Amino acid sequence: AQKVTQAQTEISVVEKEDVTLDCVYETRDTTYYLFWYKQPPSGELVFLIRRNSFDEQNEISGRYSWNFQKSTSSFNFTITASQVVDSAVYFCALSEASQGAQKLVFGQGTRLTINP
Amino acid sequence: AAGVIQSPRHLIKEKRETATLKCYPIPRHDTVYWYQQGPGQDPQFLISFYEKMQSDKGSIPDRFSAQQFSDYHSELNMSSLELGDSALYFCASSLGLMSNQPQHFGDGTRLSIL
Repeated sequence: AQKVTQAQTEISVVEKEDVTLDCVYETRDTTYYLFWYKQPPSGELVFLIRRNSFDEQNEISGRYSWNFQKSTSSFNFTITASQVVDSAVYFCALSEASQGAQKLVFGQGTRLTINP
Repeated sequence: AAGVIQSPRHLIKEKRETATLKCYPIPRHDTVYWYQQGPGQDPQFLISFYEKMQSDKGSIPDRFSAQQFSDYHSELNMSSLELGDSALYFCASSLGLMSNQPQHFGDGTRLSIL
């Protein structure tokens, strides 16, 4: 069965600090997809990134970077030089290719607070 | 760019009433998903549709039903509402049935049951 675990329930840092959000997943599929979504206080879910199981190349987008390691079943998310606007709940999610439809299984979320 | 449109944004109902939530996907997206997010919880998958046919079913109560129409919009019908149905309901859309397509979410409908 597929499962996503975000062990950090809440993280609080001071602005400009770097912060890493952890995500560990479980799946029996060899082909799967990993996602990160941001949910700001206004409530919407904002898509950040998608990664497939065959591509372990790390990715950087501005202040955001993602570290995918199949060996440890982890897909961690780092924000560099954090800003107050980064405050949100961040969800890691998994989708399995064998499931036909692509329901997302979410982790419990990490509430990130950036203090000025 | 056009996004997923959900209506209404907020809905207040009483126990045992019915509710209908609507979702208009991004133009050309043919797949729609519904999720329920309780307070402080992660979103839970309810049901999905591809080309107007149900493609997957999750933890959707029997009191709920949904469908996708010819214009690809979808409606989630909820009957005999219970206090526990109070949640944020998200609709998401994607292009095609492939797992690698990101699901783009609407802003959600916040349903409150009194």
